[in-house]
Amino acid sequence: SQQGEEDPQALSIQEGENATMNCSYKTSINNLQWYRQNSGRGLVHLILIRSNEREKHSGRLRVTLDTSKKSSSLLITASRAADTASYFCATMKGAGGTSYGKLTFGQGTILTVHP
Amino acid sequence: GAVVSQHPSRVICKSGTSVKIECRSLDFQATTMFWYRQFPKQSLMLMATSNEGSKATYEQGVEKDKFLINHASLTLSTLTVTSAHPEDSSFYICSATLPGTANTGELFFGEGSRLTVL
Repeated sequence: SQQGEEDPQALSIQEGENATMNCSYKTSINNLQWYRQNSGRGLVHLILIRSNEREKHSGRLRVTLDTSKKSSSLLITASRAADTASYFCATMKGAGGTSYGKLTFGQGTILTVHP
Repeated sequence: GAVVSQHPSRVICKSGTSVKIECRSLDFQATTMFWYRQFPKQSLMLMATSNEGSKATYEQGVEKDKFLINHASLTLSTLTVTSAHPEDSSFYICSATLPGTANTGELFFGEGSRLTVL
């Protein structure tokens, strides 16, 4: 089953606006992480939120986690043209078993911020 | 800190040849590295988990004889695509975790290697 489905698939906004991306998942998790990928490049870790946390901030980023709904959101405030990239959520299952250390990535949201 | 270097960044090869991609952790020892594959405008698919000094663990549907993984040292894992065919053309990305954080921490990614098989 698909773990980490994101919406919207693509988001186009103007500089200065806020961007919100959502991620849903299907199984219980240890933590959920958000990554950014510039076109043709590797991924960069943005923020990690543990299953017992509800909200986390890092600079202009705000992540929420609702384990009852199995969903998370990433908010980028006061967006900049340089924020243009693909954003992926990734879930890590609990300890033990064959899923040790494995991240399952969502389909990603392509964010375009127009200057 | 926590820099992962991947080489080559781009490679073009003829069908039937083998290609080796290297993944190095530059400033830390990575007992575990992960290899992902990404098709255009799609998500990352985990191919295998590479463990230093032991055999790699492959995900279901990934041919271990096609994608050979060797993790001979604490800072180097290699992925060899054997007898490459055009359908193997893809973006391959490696990642590693810091020691002691494999089950809870973030992944550090290489810059990826774009393989084109003619």
